[in-house]
Amino acid sequence: SQTIHQWPATLVQPVGSPLSLECTVEGTSNPNLYWYRQAAGRGLQLLFYSVGIGQISSEVPQNLSASRPQDRQFILSSKKLLLSDSGFYLCAWSHGSGANVLTFGAGSRLTVL
Amino acid sequence: AQSVTQLDSQVPVFEEAPVELRCNYSSSVSVYLFWYVQYPNQGLQLLLKYLSGSTLVKGINGFEAEFNKSQTSFHLRKPSVHISDTAEYFCAVSSSGSARQLTFGSGTQLTVLP
Repeated sequence: SQTIHQWPATLVQPVGSPLSLECTVEGTSNPNLYWYRQAAGRGLQLLFYSVGIGQISSEVPQNLSASRPQDRQFILSSKKLLLSDSGFYLCAWSHGSGANVLTFGAGSRLTVL
Repeated sequence: AQSVTQLDSQVPVFEEAPVELRCNYSSSVSVYLFWYVQYPNQGLQLLLKYLSGSTLVKGINGFEAEFNKSQTSFHLRKPSVHISDTAEYFCAVSSSGSARQLTFGSGTQLTVLP
């Protein structure tokens, strides 16, 4: 069966420090991978989307970047965090074809102080 | 363009009572509809989905939803809730075959009271 791992679960970082959140998927190959940010009372916002190694689409302009160095690994990064980067970040995957079903990781809560 | 409106941000209900969480969408084309559940400090989990066929969709944990095209709604229901159903529920819509185009509602916090 497929599983998705996301870490760290919680992170407290000072403004201006770098960020790296990692996500890996097991039990499937060539998944589509996603990074979402969840703000309280505002649902989910898609940040990045990837259909393959090295292929990243950014959905919104921001202070963050994403990379996919391996087929089942997706990394969310920042060189210098802003206060506004605080939030709950969710990684997800879906099959490359078929209808829409996303499987989410457990999330990473980032607090920027 | 597509959008999703979850009409209630918070729904308190007593244990063993029925519940309905409302979801309305707008889209100019055919849609795929989903409900996800999120327990505290966890990721989202798929409850049920409507892709085509029967408009009444049954999901996990005793939940069901009905697709109503004329009213552009996809309300989630459960006849008798448990304390363990306390969670946030998200409705989502896509007009294409790609999860990239999924649009999520802002969520409804269901709190089941003893």
